[in-house]
Amino acid sequence: GENVEQHPSTLSVQEGDSAVIKCTYSDSASNYFPWYKQELGKGPQLIIDIRSNVGEKKDQRIAVTLNKTAKHFSLHITETQPEDSAVYFCAASITSYDKVIFGPGTSLSVIP
Amino acid sequence: DADVTQTPRNRITKTGKRIMLECSQTKGHDRMYWYRQDPGLGLRLIYYSFDVKDINKGEISDGYSVSRQAQAKFSLSLESAIPNQTALYFCATSDPGGTDTQYFGPGTRLTVL
Repeated sequence: GENVEQHPSTLSVQEGDSAVIKCTYSDSASNYFPWYKQELGKGPQLIIDIRSNVGEKKDQRIAVTLNKTAKHFSLHITETQPEDSAVYFCAASITSYDKVIFGPGTSLSVIP
Repeated sequence: DADVTQTPRNRITKTGKRIMLECSQTKGHDRMYWYRQDPGLGLRLIYYSFDVKDINKGEISDGYSVSRQAQAKFSLSLESAIPNQTALYFCATSDPGGTDTQYFGPGTRLTVL
């Protein structure tokens, strides 16, 4: 079955700097790659996603890139702000089955 | 009101006890999921249901059972709780005709002593 790895497990950046989180997946049939943000005491919430027919997607300060050949995808956050501090999860799935496999998470701290 | 609700939000129980966690949703989604979150392990799928008559095991179903009472309700049971089932449990929903987004509840923190 699908396996998703995620690095780093923890990340600290200064406010205004960029943060990058990297994930790899094992199943070449996966074609949907969402990213979820989990704030303290809350459930995860989708922040951006990308499908296999697209190499990059951007939404304001957040961007995701996908390399299907290498089976890895990354989340980029620019101009980080304290409210970006949270746990971020990458995930992969085969859309038609809709069973999403999550990575272990990255705890991001943005230092004011 | 929240679209996906979970009860209870916190529960402390003893080894061997039976416990039920409940999830309700007002989003009208057919698909519902139960996940377990442990530090360093992320979210692991326990069970999922694509409609009222469909129940499927996830990655870590041993020791758990589920019931889909209605489109809006999906319950997770621990028949005989053990300490290593201490974790944060999340319910989620998704719409197969929509965008594949999963909508999570606020979580239930379960402690088994």
